Amino acid sequence: AIQLTQSPSSLSASVGDRVTITCRASQGITSALVWYQQKPGKPPNLLIYDASTLESGVPLRFSGTRSGTDFTLTITSLQPEDFATYFCQQLNSYPLTFGGGTTVEIK
Amino acid sequence: QVQLVQSGAEVKSPGASVRVSCKASGYTFSGFFLHWVRQAPGQGLEWMAWINPNSGDTKFGQKFQDWVTLTRDTSISTVYMELSRLKSDDTATYYCARAKGYCTGVACYKSAFDIWGQGTTVTVSS
Repeated sequence: AIQLTQSPSSLSASVGDRVTITCRASQGITSALVWYQQKPGKPPNLLIYDASTLESGVPLRFSGTRSGTDFTLTITSLQPEDFATYFCQQLNSYPLTFGGGTTVEIK
Repeated sequence: QVQLVQSGAEVKSPGASVRVSCKASGYTFSGFFLHWVRQAPGQGLEWMAWINPNSGDTKFGQKFQDWVTLTRDTSISTVYMELSRLKSDDTATYYCARAKGYCTGVACYKSAFDIWGQGTTVTVSS
């Protein structure tokens, strides 16, 4: 199975900060990488798919990039509603797998 | 609006079975694959399986293929997931999720889970 390693596992940041989360795949997955945001007690919410395509309705401060097997989610100017846990997911091969998550906390 | 509504919480004994439903509304039921994902308390996300509501075709993660069954009733736009031979470590919140794109026996393409059900908590305890 393809492993997705997210880093960091958690971070503290302030409103207005730029935040970067990385997801590294254990083997090539083309651009079949998705980012979700999850808040406590809620299902995940789709942010980005195909590594860099912003889902409709998602604020432009969210962006995704790919460099080989390294994928990055960037949040420019962190907002209060962005404090949550972020997961990456690969859909290139079965079993579909998720990263371990990155929790963004208020500093 | 587009939504997936799941059945309510369940408490089961080890070795029992449970069926969780996921009712779709606001879109063409047969047009989108439905996936199931689970999340143990305080843990990450684990993909389980998908069903193509149009054909009834299914694909399971190897870990789930011997004890999870997916069916659908197109007349009421509902997918069912049955879990059998439950163990305590199956205690989790189970989500259904609609997927854009499509899946084959090899992979999923241009895909992502864009609509999620609210989750169904299944507790397995003696």
